[in-house]
Amino acid sequence: SQELEQSPQSLIVQEGKNLTINCTSSKTLYGLYWYKQKYGEGLIFLMMLQKGGEEKSHEKITAKLDEKKQQSSLHITASQPSHAGIYLCGADRTGNQFYFGTGTSLTVIP
Amino acid sequence: DSGVTQTPKHLITATGQRVTLRCSPRSGDLSVYWYQQSLDQGLQFLIQYYNGEERAKGNILERFSAQQFPDLHSELNLSSLELGDSALYFCASSVVAGSRVYEQYFGPGTRLTVT
Repeated sequence: SQELEQSPQSLIVQEGKNLTINCTSSKTLYGLYWYKQKYGEGLIFLMMLQKGGEEKSHEKITAKLDEKKQQSSLHITASQPSHAGIYLCGADRTGNQFYFGTGTSLTVIP
Repeated sequence: DSGVTQTPKHLITATGQRVTLRCSPRSGDLSVYWYQQSLDQGLQFLIQYYNGEERAKGNILERFSAQQFPDLHSELNLSSLELGDSALYFCASSVVAGSRVYEQYFGPGTRLTVT
């Protein structure tokens, strides 16, 4: 089973709508990263959350970390076609091990 | 553009064959990481090299091997290919050995299709 589970797996929204993507860890979270991947391309780092309760924003994208729930959420406000892609959460573990979530595919319909 | 280059961009081959994927890290980066992304497994860390030496191993199959050369470019060798090896293979690089995920710069990937 995956260490990082994302939900939903895919999302289709109308342009202008808000949406939320969740990432839940099966192990204690010490930090979590969010990436965006355009179809068939590399990963683009969005933001990193390190402390419980931390919230960060980048343009219209906001992410929060809930350490107690071992969960992070990524919220997009007033979605645009440029937000389309695959969103991945990621985490480090000791011993130079790197894990990523299962991914959420976002389609924004103009 | 992350500065990490990967070749080839696409590769189609048959089961049982062997292929080599190539990665050139960003200028000045000593660490190279390989990842496999498939629909059913998601993005999985395979292996890390730092300045020519293997540094960390993830979910890499025995049929797969990698190396990092003195000029710091890296190659991922996949042998006895199976249909399930079809995936997008990413290379990432960073300056230091103990990098966090966010410090890694990802290449555009090589899409491997095994028929």
